[in-house]
Amino acid sequence: QLQLQESGPGLVKPSETLSLTCTVSGDSISSSAYYWGWIRQPPGKGLEWIGTIYYNWNTYYNPSLKSRVTMSIDTPKNQFSLELDSVTAADSAVYYCASLPNSYGSGTLPAWFDPWGQGTPVTVS
Amino acid sequence: QSVLTQPPSVSAAPGQKVTISCSGSSSNIGNNFVSWYQQIPGTAPRLLIYDNDKRPSGIPDRFSGSKSGTSATLGITGLQTGDEADYYCGTWDNNLGPGEDWVFGGGTKLTVL
Repeated sequence: QLQLQESGPGLVKPSETLSLTCTVSGDSISSSAYYWGWIRQPPGKGLEWIGTIYYNWNTYYNPSLKSRVTMSIDTPKNQFSLELDSVTAADSAVYYCASLPNSYGSGTLPAWFDPWGQGTPVTVS
Repeated sequence: QSVLTQPPSVSAAPGQKVTISCSGSSSNIGNNFVSWYQQIPGTAPRLLIYDNDKRPSGIPDRFSGSKSGTSATLGITGLQTGDEADYYCGTWDNNLGPGEDWVFGGGTKLTVL
């Protein structure tokens, strides 16, 4: 059973880089069976997709965040990571990692997030 | 402002049925599968529906999904107080930039009166 767990600092200073890691258990991060994603939720607001990465490092980023986002995969540690540069208070949110099952095969992006990590709150201040 | 439009809130009595709409366009719902998520306050979202109308194992058949054209609908029957949560739809959009981008609806708060 696939499980995901976010980790990283809960407090980041403005203008610095937010760095989070998602540790995957239950399967290999380098499996072609999954894509991996980050989603965030500002306090009292809705869900915002940040980006998605595949084991071959193909990445898909939210256009509104693309200039500041980098996602990567650490195969030996079975982890994937998020870096968000030049953060401001508007980046304060609960950050979730999630998997996207690659059910359609090559050439078609997966269409749902499951499962999700429990989320980690990040405050920029 | 999301490209997928959901009503901010819906409410119904226990035992009743409620539907939550998710309206989009040909660049998102019209040409892609829709998924739905339930988020109970203080917890992570949970997948309820994928591929427009399929339920993952463990999701009761009280939850259903459908899609028609550029709109999708989540239905919940036999409402229980435990169904009080925020509900989000989501899908890919290929008109926001080069390539495809995932979008969520703004969310709908369900109150079981």
